[in-house]
Amino acid sequence: DAMVIQNPRYQVTQFGKPVTLSCSQTLNHNVMYWYQQKSSQAPKLLFHYYDKDFNNEADTPDNFQSRRPNTSFCFLDIRSPGLGDAAMYLCATSRAVGVEETQYFGPGTRLLVL
Amino acid sequence: AQKITQTQPGMFVQEKEAVTLDCTYDTSDPSYGLFWYKQPSSGEMIFLIYQGSYDQQNATEGRYSLNFQKARKSANLVISASQLGDSAMYFCAMREGLGGRRALTFGSGTRLQVQP
Repeated sequence: DAMVIQNPRYQVTQFGKPVTLSCSQTLNHNVMYWYQQKSSQAPKLLFHYYDKDFNNEADTPDNFQSRRPNTSFCFLDIRSPGLGDAAMYLCATSRAVGVEETQYFGPGTRLLVL
Repeated sequence: AQKITQTQPGMFVQEKEAVTLDCTYDTSDPSYGLFWYKQPSSGEMIFLIYQGSYDQQNATEGRYSLNFQKARKSANLVISASQLGDSAMYFCAMREGLGGRRALTFGSGTRLQVQP
């Protein structure tokens, strides 16, 4: 089955220690997104790639970076995690960016910062 | 201003009954899409149903239907014959078209609990 895969499902890191979350997709979609979702809140878009074109949201902290080495993979790097970065990180994909394009989500990675 | 408003933080429904989850939206774009997602406690966001602003008919997908009232800017999700597995968080989301953001804007969600 075509899908969006996120690894790991749970990640524990220490305050200030860089961490990388990964996302892969077998849907061959052009667009990949990273969302941050804190407890009992709506997902918040951090950035997205349209092919190799990187689009950062204006309020995404500099601490968050992303890489997309190829169509299938996208990584979220948190350079110096703070306690406030503990959240669920959701990766999503869509074929394109038209209004009708559904975003398909992975299972998420829960990040805990100690 | 909130783009997507979900006024029901929590809802209860008896198994096998229908339930309506409310969603109102705000946009000046003539072209937009409305989506509903289900998020169980495991965390994955599961796509349920889509309604386009130009669609003449209300969308339906199995037990899910969308009550789209364009003039009122509402897009309520109706779940018929509720099942225990429907207990989850439900998010309404919008994607705007011409000149708007291409990303999804989510509402704050409604937690649905289905009781046996």
